[in-house]
Amino acid sequence: QQQVKQSPQSLIVQKGGISIINCAYENTAFDYFPWYQQFPGKGPALLIAIRPDVSEKKEGRFTISFNKSAKQFSLHIMDSQPGDSATYFCAARRNRDDKIIFGKGTRLHILP
Amino acid sequence: EPEVTQTPSHQVTQMGQEVILRCVPISNHLYFYWYRQILGQKVEFLVSFYNNEISEKSEIFDDQFSVERPDGSNFTLKIRSTKLEDSAMYFCASSVGGSGIGTQYFGPGTRLTVL
Repeated sequence: QQQVKQSPQSLIVQKGGISIINCAYENTAFDYFPWYQQFPGKGPALLIAIRPDVSEKKEGRFTISFNKSAKQFSLHIMDSQPGDSATYFCAARRNRDDKIIFGKGTRLHILP
Repeated sequence: EPEVTQTPSHQVTQMGQEVILRCVPISNHLYFYWYRQILGQKVEFLVSFYNNEISEKSEIFDDQFSVERPDGSNFTLKIRSTKLEDSAMYFCASSVGGSGIGTQYFGPGTRLTVL
């Protein structure tokens, strides 16, 4: 119930391509879904986040698509660049909870 | 841009020893957190702290762990008697608000190696 399942574990995309990472959850009490980006030797950094009352949120090349009925959400990175190579974590949090529950992460590598 | 800082970046200790991991949260933040990431696994919540009290903790945060805000700037995680399975990257985070409000900002982490 408290898990967030993330796939794929690793992803290789050509420069300029679209990177897609998928996540699924069970707990309908989750109401905040952030994505974190982590570079080697650094902590996770908030990239973009969405609440379940919207189906899509876009910030620059990064878009979250949210399907409340399917309990799934995904991150799309358009025009992927080598600088996007990092580990991406989807996550979820219940309202009034402190803890963020992370997925297992996707290691993304963009080929130059 | 203000950021969370952590020291040391890498700590090596013998099993059974006590370790203290240190964090300096962002200065106007009121909520503080510790997470850990065992190598190759997901980031896991340990504890949250507000107003000099633990506000939430996970099942991982047992009696071997404690947190403290010893002064106005530092936030520490103490592991009393380290075990091999405590080897992980430990991240401190802070936020302006808690209970679902406010973005949590993470520090760069302390890599703890227990031998």
